[in-house]
Amino acid sequence: DVKVTQSSRYLVKRTGEKVFLECVQDMDHENMFWYRQDPGLGLRLIYFSYDVKMKEKGDIPEGYSVSREKKERFSLILESASTNQTSMYLCASSLGRAIYGYTFGSGTRLTVV
Amino acid sequence: AQSVAQPEDQVNVAEGNPLTVKCTYSVSGNPYLFWYVQYPNRGLQFLLKYITGDNLVKGSYGFEAEFNKSQTSFHLKKPSALVSDSALYFCAVRDGRLTGGFKTIFGAGTRLFVKA
Repeated sequence: DVKVTQSSRYLVKRTGEKVFLECVQDMDHENMFWYRQDPGLGLRLIYFSYDVKMKEKGDIPEGYSVSREKKERFSLILESASTNQTSMYLCASSLGRAIYGYTFGSGTRLTVV
Repeated sequence: AQSVAQPEDQVNVAEGNPLTVKCTYSVSGNPYLFWYVQYPNRGLQFLLKYITGDNLVKGSYGFEAEFNKSQTSFHLKKPSALVSDSALYFCAVRDGRLTGGFKTIFGAGTRLFVKA
C-alpha cells in the first residue's frame, strides 16, 4: 500500500527550539508539499518541492525552511519555534503536475509551549 | 488568483437522506477540482477529482460531485448519507494551465454531521 509517512503524530516543543518534521513517501513522486492546518483556515501551503534540492515558497513560509536531499524525503524545519506555530502539519506528495490529487500523511500535531 | 469557498462551516443531515456540501472556486484557465475527506486525527484522503469530460464525477464511498462551469461550482453529493460519513470535507482547486507551479488551494473545510 503506497503511503506518505510522517515521523511523529504528536510533538511538544519549547519556544525557541529548532524543530524538524520529517516526511517520507514510497511512491517515487516528484512533488512534495508541507501544509499547516488550523481551524477555520483550512490548509495553507508552507513550502513545496518539485525535485530533489528544489524548493518553492508557499503562502506562509515565514519562520520555516525545508530540505529535500533525497527524492523520497522532505523535511520541514522550524528555525526557532514560537507558540503561533502550534498547529497540525500535513505532508503530501503528488505525481507529475499534481493533476491527479495528493496523497497525504497522517499529520503531526505540534504544540509549542 | 486562485480561491476556493466553502460557504457552510457545518452541514447536518439525517442518515438515509441525500447530502450536499457546497464549493465554489475562482481560477485562471480550466480548473482541476478535488474533494478530500478528513477523519479525526488523520490526514486527508482523496475522494474524487474533475479534470475534464463529464460534469458528474463519481468517487469513493458513493460520493459524487457536479462540475458547473457557469456557476464556478463543484458541489459534493451523496444520495443516501451514512453516520460513518461524518467527517471534515475539503474542496480544492488547481490552476489548469500547463505552465507555472503546482499549487493546489484548499477551502476552509465543511464539517458534515450525519445523525442516526
